[in-house]
Amino acid sequence: QVQLVQSGGGVVQPGRSLRLPCTASGFTFSNYGMHWVRQGPGKGLEWVAHIWYDGSDTFYADSVKGRFTISRDNSKNTMFLQMDSLRDEDTAVYYCARGPLGTMAGYFDYWGQGTLVTVSS
Amino acid sequence: QSALTQPASVSGSPGQSITISCTGTSSDVGNYKLVSWYQQHPGKAPNVLIFESNRRPSGVSNRFSGSKSGNTASLTISGLQIEDEAEYYCCSYAGGSTYVFGTGTKVTVL
Repeated sequence: QVQLVQSGGGVVQPGRSLRLPCTASGFTFSNYGMHWVRQGPGKGLEWVAHIWYDGSDTFYADSVKGRFTISRDNSKNTMFLQMDSLRDEDTAVYYCARGPLGTMAGYFDYWGQGTLVTVSS
Repeated sequence: QSALTQPASVSGSPGQSITISCTGTSSDVGNYKLVSWYQQHPGKAPNVLIFESNRRPSGVSNRFSGSKSGNTASLTISGLQIEDEAEYYCCSYAGGSTYVFGTGTKVTVL
């Protein structure tokens, strides 16, 4: 069965960095676009970033552009979110989610369990 | 990338039908059929209910249905059940491989 397992997360000081991994199983990871979505405490969902199936292109929400980097290692079935210059407002539960095949646009059919990132001094 | 507008809360009695609206712009909801809906119970990851405005993934109850007209998409839950009490989010493709979520709607079953 399709599984997205997340790890990482924790408490980090403002201005510091953190990298979140998301490891996939149960499907051909290298065929699918992947996404990060976050949810601040008591807030709604916010789309964060998208990477094409082969990692050849990436896309970001304005709120994280220039600070966050999405990447993937298809040989290890793992996607990453590198978060630099973290701010208080980046505090959230971060979810990884599977998108459609290839470069298609669509929806998020499988989600990781989420990991909490707290930015605080 | 402004969030799509949803009502903060909607309520109904068991067995009733409710509809949640999701209003965007001509740059997102109005320009693409790629609107999806997600149900989220407290402390859990979201689950997809509807994709491409009105299609249901296999395994999702046919009590959930979606539609779209102009810049507004809608999710209807018919035969409301206790377990439908949750937060609901719409999401639209916004072009350039980017997406925008709605503000979220808390559904209460009275």
